[in-house]
Amino acid sequence: QVQLLQSGPGLVKPSETLSLTCNVSGRSISSYYWSWIRQPAGKGLEWIGRIYTSGSTNYNPSLKSRVSLSLDTSKNQFSLRLTSVTAADTAVYYCAIDHGLLRGFDIWGQGTMVTVSS
Amino acid sequence: EIVLTQSPGTLSLSPGERATLSCRASQILTSNYLAWYQQKPGQAPRLLIYGASNRATGIPDRFSGSGSGTDFTLTISRLDPEDFAGYYCQQYGSLPLTFGGGTKVEIK
Repeated sequence: QVQLLQSGPGLVKPSETLSLTCNVSGRSISSYYWSWIRQPAGKGLEWIGRIYTSGSTNYNPSLKSRVSLSLDTSKNQFSLRLTSVTAADTAVYYCAIDHGLLRGFDIWGQGTMVTVSS
Repeated sequence: EIVLTQSPGTLSLSPGERATLSCRASQILTSNYLAWYQQKPGQAPRLLIYGASNRATGIPDRFSGSGSGTDFTLTISRLDPEDFAGYYCQQYGSLPLTFGGGTKVEIK
């Protein structure tokens, strides 16, 4: 059974860097795309970006200048870094398996509530 | 960027009734690369439909998707109490990937 388990701090100070990790169990990270999505409280979903097994990335233009994704095949995990955060980055962050053109996101992490506040 | 507009914003229905949710795209979706998700409070979204009309694994057959081009529909044939939740459409054929604003199905 495939599971995504997220980890990372729930509180980040303004102007600092948000870092989250998604540990994958039950499937090798050496296939598929791996995406991050976020959702401010009471609002809709926003795709942040994805990384492919080769290391190639796609980012949402709205966040591109501040986002970087990476993957660690030895640990079967992938990570998100978002720099220069503000209160507008406060949201629940999800990782998900991204099947590209096959079927979207079929397995999601549990979500991490990240609050940007001093 | 493809903008997805969902309507209505809120749908008030009773258990056993039929729910019809709409998702309209600002551009034609190539090969109907459209998915629907269900989200309950405090939970991650769950994939219901992909390719506009294909049910994901384990999804009951009361959920069905239809449509093509720019207009898509999610139908719940008979609402079960567990179906009262938020629903989002998403296109995955064009970058950036985008979601609709959501429809909340609430108990009348």
